Amino acid sequence: DGGITQSPKYLFRKEGQNVTLSCEQNLNHDAMYWYRQDPGQGLRLIYYSQIVNDFQKGDIAEGYSVSREKKESFPLTVTSAQKNPTAFYLCASSSTDGPVGSPLHFGNGTRLTVT
Amino acid sequence: LAKTTQPISMDSYEGQEVNITCSHNNIATNDYITWYQQFPSQGPRFIIQGYKTKVTNEVASLFIPADRKSSTLSLPRVSLSDTAVYYCLVGDILNSGGYQKVTFGTGTKLQVIP
Repeated sequence: DGGITQSPKYLFRKEGQNVTLSCEQNLNHDAMYWYRQDPGQGLRLIYYSQIVNDFQKGDIAEGYSVSREKKESFPLTVTSAQKNPTAFYLCASSSTDGPVGSPLHFGNGTRLTVT
Repeated sequence: LAKTTQPISMDSYEGQEVNITCSHNNIATNDYITWYQQFPSQGPRFIIQGYKTKVTNEVASLFIPADRKSSTLSLPRVSLSDTAVYYCLVGDILNSGGYQKVTFGTGTKLQVIP
């Protein structure tokens, strides 16, 4: 089955440590996205990438970094500079084929807790 | 970016039809309207997408009036498993080549009651 895999499902880190969240897709989608969701809130865009080796900042990129070395993979690093990193992180992808492309396909998220 | 306004929450009994309306008064010519469903601790799941008039698929219908300033997601005969948060998204997918110019609001929390 095609889809998006995020790992791990739960992640615990101490304050001051960098942590990398994994996102892999086998949908052959060009575009990939990282969102952050806080309790009772909608999703906010952190970073997005429309093609390999290129990515752009979203609305809340400060304290985060990404890479896109392969089409299938778009890892997100939460750095120690992120002031409030505890959140639910969602990775998504979409196709850019056709006039409107495909809907966003989401993984099942990683819940990060920093203490 | 087009801002969307949805009711924060709704309750419905099992078997009833549910209509969730989203207001997007400043929708732009190239904006599409997309609805997603999210269960707790899961990623959102695509329900339906449209540009104008009516779109129907196996799970829902989407009604968009001629002025496109609002849209209504219609879920026929809901069951307990339809309890979830429903998001209305509006944005220029066509020219942007993706969803980077599409914003998520806080959604509508639908509670289906037995």
